[in-house]
Amino acid sequence: GAGVSQTPSNKVTEKGKYVELRCDPISGHTALYWYRQSLGQGPEFLIYFQGTGAADDSGLPNDRFFAVRPEGSVSTLKIQRTERGDSAVYLCASSFGTSKGTDTQYFGPGTRLTVL
Amino acid sequence: QKEVEQNSGPLSVPEGAIASLNCTYSDRVSQSFFWYRQYSGKSPELIMSIYSNGDKEDGRFTAQLNKASQYVSLLIRDSQPSDSATYLCAVKGYQKVTFGTGTKLQVIP
Repeated sequence: GAGVSQTPSNKVTEKGKYVELRCDPISGHTALYWYRQSLGQGPEFLIYFQGTGAADDSGLPNDRFFAVRPEGSVSTLKIQRTERGDSAVYLCASSFGTSKGTDTQYFGPGTRLTVL
Repeated sequence: QKEVEQNSGPLSVPEGAIASLNCTYSDRVSQSFFWYRQYSGKSPELIMSIYSNGDKEDGRFTAQLNKASQYVSLLIRDSQPSDSATYLCAVKGYQKVTFGTGTKLQVIP
């Protein structure tokens, strides 16, 4: 595929359940970002991967949130014991991951998570 | 103070007019600046990027950067109803990208 893909597009779950959100970046992009966007807000940074490692996870709100990228391509964002406040659109973006300031992120379509 | 600040709007302009969108940022080590357009229910789409002081033009869009004033703007000439969307300002330091809350633009036919 030419762009970033995310699955599922929509996820409805009950409070307390565990969810996994998947992101498949653009081929050749080594950097991968997760954001969370609530209604009327800009994307809020969660975590950034360079290759397989999390280069910056300072945006994860608490230890219920975890993300992996075991082979440096597909990434999974995992949320344990979901709360209603976790409801948002979760966006994934990827880039070439160069150290140059010109490195540009391209976004996937997002996963809309609703916690009932 | 928020790291990236934008007026939430809505900013209403008549069709054919110039729309001016503004953004200020707090981190002086910021290196790269981006404008994204986001239609309702869709993901952000890159419109412009700018890295050096001055103006950068691409079609109807002009991005302006003033690092001394920590200010970046986007001008949209000959605004069209299809330009109606939320415009997100994004600022990148060494790795992390921080977004503003966005300005909603309405172009009135």
